Amino acid sequence: QVQLQESGPGLVKPSETLSLTCAVSGYSISSGYYWGWIRQPPGKGLEWIGSIYHSGSTYYNPSLKSRVTISVDTSKNQFSLKLSSVTAADTAVYYCARHHPRGWFDPWGQGTLVTVSS
Amino acid sequence: AIQLTQSPSSLSASVGDRVTITCRASQGISSALAWYQQKPGKAPKLLIYDASSLESGVPSRFSGSGSGTDFTLTISSLQPEDFATYYCQQFNSYPQTFGQGTKLEIK
Repeated sequence: QVQLQESGPGLVKPSETLSLTCAVSGYSISSGYYWGWIRQPPGKGLEWIGSIYHSGSTYYNPSLKSRVTISVDTSKNQFSLKLSSVTAADTAVYYCARHHPRGWFDPWGQGTLVTVSS
Repeated sequence: AIQLTQSPSSLSASVGDRVTITCRASQGISSALAWYQQKPGKAPKLLIYDASSLESGVPSRFSGSGSGTDFTLTISSLQPEDFATYYCQQFNSYPQTFGQGTKLEIK
């Protein structure tokens, strides 16, 4: 059974860089699939941030592309998100998920709330 | 980016009711649509992919239909555990986008 678990600081200061890691168990990232990040501001809807293939190829949402970096570490079976120059608008629950080549997300991690505040 | 508009935004229904949620795309997306269920404090759960394919383990009371720009998610007989928020997602083109959600509440 594939499981994903996000980890990282729950509080980030404005203008700093948000960094999260997603640990994958029950499936080897090197075996295939894309791996993605999605976020959800409190009380709002879902926004795809970007995805990465095990080879390192990345796809980012144009609305965030200038600030996003997603990387993969196959030796640790995990992938990571960095979002730079954060503001209060980046406060959200951040989810990682396996991203099917056709396009849907399944399964998802439990999510981690990141608050941007001084 | 393709916009997805769900209707209604919220819905009150009773156990045993048949419920339909609509998702309309701003341009044609073939059958590249998924539906998710999200309960409070939990991650979204995949229900339907390719507009009408039921994810393994999802009860058969859930069904999806549509293609092009208009899609529906139907729950044939609501169960207590179905009260949640439902999202559609298109994966026809990047960036992949989600609808704003439909909150299904108990009447």
